[in-house]
Amino acid sequence: AQSVTQLGSHVSVSEGALVLLRCNYSSSVPPYLFWYVQYPNQGLQLLLKYTSAATLVKGINGFEAEFKKSETSFHLTKPSAHMSDAAEYFCAVSPTGNQFYFGTGTSLTVIP
Amino acid sequence: DVKVTQSSRYLVKRTGEKVFLECVQDMDHENMFWYRQDPGLGLRLIYFSYDVKMKEKGDIPEGYSVSREKKERFSLILESASTNQTSMYLCASINRNSGNTIYFGEGSWLTVV
Repeated sequence: AQSVTQLGSHVSVSEGALVLLRCNYSSSVPPYLFWYVQYPNQGLQLLLKYTSAATLVKGINGFEAEFKKSETSFHLTKPSAHMSDAAEYFCAVSPTGNQFYFGTGTSLTVIP
Repeated sequence: DVKVTQSSRYLVKRTGEKVFLECVQDMDHENMFWYRQDPGLGLRLIYFSYDVKMKEKGDIPEGYSVSREKKERFSLILESASTNQTSMYLCASINRNSGNTIYFGEGSWLTVV
């Protein structure tokens, strides 16, 4: 069975500091990988996705993620946190493109 | 832009009531999904559908059923609502030919009292 692990259900950073949200997955084949963001009382919006092209993927709002096959990781980073980045972040994996498996989410708090 | 619309954002229902959650997508997507989201548990798949009149059980189908009579519409049905079904319900769809990105609706908050 596929699984996605997000280390840290809550992460706090100061405004302007580096954001690092961790995601590890289990998959026997190179998967599709995604990061989604959820603002309060809203659905999930796509931040970025990896589909076997470049291992460093750039997304919206200054976020990027690096696919590391040897570590089965797809960590999300942003060099400088902004107050508007406060939200819930979900990592997801899709081994075949038809089914998706989500992590349990990481709540990001940005401290002014 | 892809649009997935969930008709009801907030509902309050009584225990034992039959509940319908409606979802419509406007991009001719083949695959549609229903998830529930609970704190600390992330998103859990209830049911999904690959095509009209087709449905497959997800990880937590108990207490739910679905209907897909038209390609654009995927309905989630709670035959007899219970308090442990109080949750946020998210509908989603994908186009298998567009990079397999999954698109979500805004969510439906259901409270069963």
